[in-house]
Amino acid sequence: GDSVTQMEGPVTLSEEAFLTINCTYTATGYPSLFWYVQYPGEGLQLLLKATKADDKGSNKGFEATYRKETTSFHLEKGSVQVSDSAVYFCALNYGGSQGNLIFGKGTKLSVKP
Amino acid sequence: DTGVSQNPRHKITKRGQNVTFRCDPISEHNRLYWYRQTLGQGPEFLTYFQNEAQLEKSRLLSDRFSAERPKGSFSTLEIQRTEQGDSAMYLCASSAGGAGGNTIYFGEGSWLTVV
Repeated sequence: GDSVTQMEGPVTLSEEAFLTINCTYTATGYPSLFWYVQYPGEGLQLLLKATKADDKGSNKGFEATYRKETTSFHLEKGSVQVSDSAVYFCALNYGGSQGNLIFGKGTKLSVKP
Repeated sequence: DTGVSQNPRHKITKRGQNVTFRCDPISEHNRLYWYRQTLGQGPEFLTYFQNEAQLEKSRLLSDRFSAERPKGSFSTLEIQRTEQGDSAMYLCASSAGGAGGNTIYFGEGSWLTVV
């Protein structure tokens, strides 16, 4: 079945460091890909998305490119801030009658001043 | 702009009791989803509705769980005879249609603790 695999956390970085969180997927079709962020005590917020191969999603300095050849959707940010500390989830869905999201286990990011 | 609203936000109940959670989706969103999230894990899909029709249910949704969306607007998730393993955050989400890439918006979740 379809699945999403994320790098194990937690990830601890100093402020202004470069961030990469790896995400790979297994899919039988051509899904849309998403990154969601969850701040402590809150629900999930959509961070960015890409709907087809080679699309790049971006938001708040975060970027991820849909790579069909490597089945990956790695999240990157050039300079992290303390306020980026959260749990990041990679996810996929197909829409139609299969509109539900399939999530990875999440990667916790802690950014130190 | 009103997002997805869930209540109660926190519920502590004794094992064996019934609990009900309510979700009010973003207006005009015809799809509504329920997910469950345990500590250290990603959300897991439970069920979803298109308007008032429940179109899919996960195997995670045991007979003790029932979800309704009677008028195609708000939804309720009821857990009967709660067990300690039901302790989790229950997330509701909504979207406008189901085409791939339509954004699914989440509420802040309802925490359930079964003691």
